[in-house]
Amino acid sequence: NAGVTQTPKFRVLKTGQSMTLLCAQDMNHEYMYWYRQDPGMGLRLIHYSVGEGTTAKGEVPDGYNVSRLKKQNFLLGLESAAPSQTSVYFCASRPYPLGPQHFGDGTRLSIL
Amino acid sequence: GENVEQHPSTLSVQEGDSAVIKCTYSDSASNYFPWYKQELGKRPQLIIDIRSNVGEKKDQRIAVTLNKTAKHFSLHITETQPEDSAVYFCAARTGFQKLVFGTGTRLLVSP
Repeated sequence: NAGVTQTPKFRVLKTGQSMTLLCAQDMNHEYMYWYRQDPGMGLRLIHYSVGEGTTAKGEVPDGYNVSRLKKQNFLLGLESAAPSQTSVYFCASRPYPLGPQHFGDGTRLSIL
Repeated sequence: GENVEQHPSTLSVQEGDSAVIKCTYSDSASNYFPWYKQELGKRPQLIIDIRSNVGEKKDQRIAVTLNKTAKHFSLHITETQPEDSAVYFCAARTGFQKLVFGTGTRLLVSP
């Protein structure tokens, strides 16, 4: 049972490049979340999904897009990367309706 | 929307002392309050949580208290050990969907 798996673990991009971060969970959870973590600012919600085929904006959605085509996968896309998007990105999932949120190991993204 | 404030940002204690971290929330409808521990370079991990119908919950050396009237909740760690050193995050959830996190407390436990 792998839990929540994020790929890649590290990535360096140039400004303007695009990329997709993948989050996969094998716990049959309904809810999935993407956060970014910056020093001194805690975990801020980017986008989330309450089920397959659904997505919603979180606290800091600008510059990101997401898709949840399959229940087990939640993709985070950066269409045109900017240095301000340098951060550690965490994916999380939890069951419906109640239950603890489980995090992946994170993706460290640097944009030059 | 919900806003969570967490204090202090840094807390230094001697091994064996107690540590207390406090959080306040703004939305009186919030009903779930977890605490996460994050070691350097690792994922946040749930250490304890409390629901709005409970005032206190304890698990060995850690406990959480909730005061709904004042809209604040606290994490208490007794008999601290060096391995308790980490960043601790509180969070609050309104309804069933989103958690809002505090900005974290860096706990340093000196031997």
